[in-house]
Amino acid sequence: KQEVTQIPAALSVPEGENLVLNCSFTDSAIYNLQWFRQDPGKGLTSLLLIQSSQREQTSGRLNASLDKSSGRSTLYIAASQPGDSATYLCAVGSYTGKLIFGQGTTLQVKP
Amino acid sequence: EAGVAQSPRYKIIEKRQSVAFWCNPISGHATLYWYQQILGQGPKLLIQFQNNGVVDDSQLPKDRFSAERLKGVDSTLKIQPAKLEDSAVYLCASSDRRTVGNTIYFGEGSWLTVV
Repeated sequence: KQEVTQIPAALSVPEGENLVLNCSFTDSAIYNLQWFRQDPGKGLTSLLLIQSSQREQTSGRLNASLDKSSGRSTLYIAASQPGDSATYLCAVGSYTGKLIFGQGTTLQVKP
Repeated sequence: EAGVAQSPRYKIIEKRQSVAFWCNPISGHATLYWYQQILGQGPKLLIQFQNNGVVDDSQLPKDRFSAERLKGVDSTLKIQPAKLEDSAVYLCASSDRRTVGNTIYFGEGSWLTVV
């Protein structure tokens, strides 16, 4: 049974700092891995999607890596801004489209 | 392009009452999902439809939850009777498997409080 864990559960950093969010999963037979952002009272916004055959994806200040053999993914945020404050969720996807989520990391970026 | 639409956004009911949530996916998306997100946790899949057929409902509490997607477009999720532990956000999502990566798009959710 696939289990997804995110560490840390919460993180507070000063503005401008580079940071890394971690995600681990127990079964390496994944179809893809996605990182989502969730603002309070809102739904989920897809940030990055990494196919199982890929090692990383980049979008602006965000970079996500995937190491299937070790069951790990990281989301790197460069030069963090107060607007990056949100909960970040990673989810492992199967071929059917089903996503299994971690519990999320709540990020606060202080001005 | 319009996103995934959900209603109502907020609902407060007493335990043992019933509630229904509606979802309209992105036009052309054949796959529709309902997720339950309890406060402080990640979303959990309740049911997945491919057109109007059920792909996965293994985690749907079928004694009280039901869902349908009769015409393969919009969908309704019903809870009857509600329990206190059903208090959560119910997220609808849709995807088009023909697109590369099968990106899934979420609605803003329907927030349920059972008192």
